[in-house]
Amino acid sequence: DVKVTQSSRYLVKRTGEKVFLECVQDMDHENMFWYRQDPGLGLRLIYFSYDVKMKEKGDIPEGYSVSREKKERFSLILESASTNQTSMYLCASNPPGTGGYTFGSGTRLTVV
Amino acid sequence: GENVEQHPSTLSVQEGDSAVIKCTYSDSASNYFPWYKQELGKRPQLIIDIRSNVGEKKDQRIAVTLNKTAKHFSLHITETQPEDSAVYFCAASITVSDMRFGAGTRLTVKP
Repeated sequence: DVKVTQSSRYLVKRTGEKVFLECVQDMDHENMFWYRQDPGLGLRLIYFSYDVKMKEKGDIPEGYSVSREKKERFSLILESASTNQTSMYLCASNPPGTGGYTFGSGTRLTVV
Repeated sequence: GENVEQHPSTLSVQEGDSAVIKCTYSDSASNYFPWYKQELGKRPQLIIDIRSNVGEKKDQRIAVTLNKTAKHFSLHITETQPEDSAVYFCAASITVSDMRFGAGTRLTVKP
């Protein structure tokens, strides 16, 4: 089974803090994604990466950045956390040429 | 970009009844349509998918139909059971990197 592991299940941070969300997959997948999940809005794509050091903006990249220094790890960075970034963050990965994503368990981030 | 709309947002059925969730998409170039199930507190998991060269696909009690002309696709669950209770998401994509999701349907199956 492909495993996508997110380092934290729950996180509470203060406004203005720099926040790192980590995601690791163990199946050598090229593609990795960060989504945020909010009630009534579904999953919205923040950033994705199709290779090491490559990144592409999704639909809502403002206030976020990403880092992919190694193939298995894709980090989401909140440069200066704000309360409107309180959400569930989901990481996903898949190999090239197929569509099905494998998701991590999610990180519920609360910014106070 | 692609826009996916999903209806209804909530659905309640009696155990044993059928449930149908519908999605529409905007980009006629979309060619891959997966469905994910997310149980409370768990990650979304792929339950079935269909590609644009197929009109229908079935897996036990779950089936998905695709109407490319009308740009809509549907999830059908027959003989529903309490363990089918979850949030279901549809999605559409052209390439592997541009998948867009619907807002989700909360299905409740009452015993």
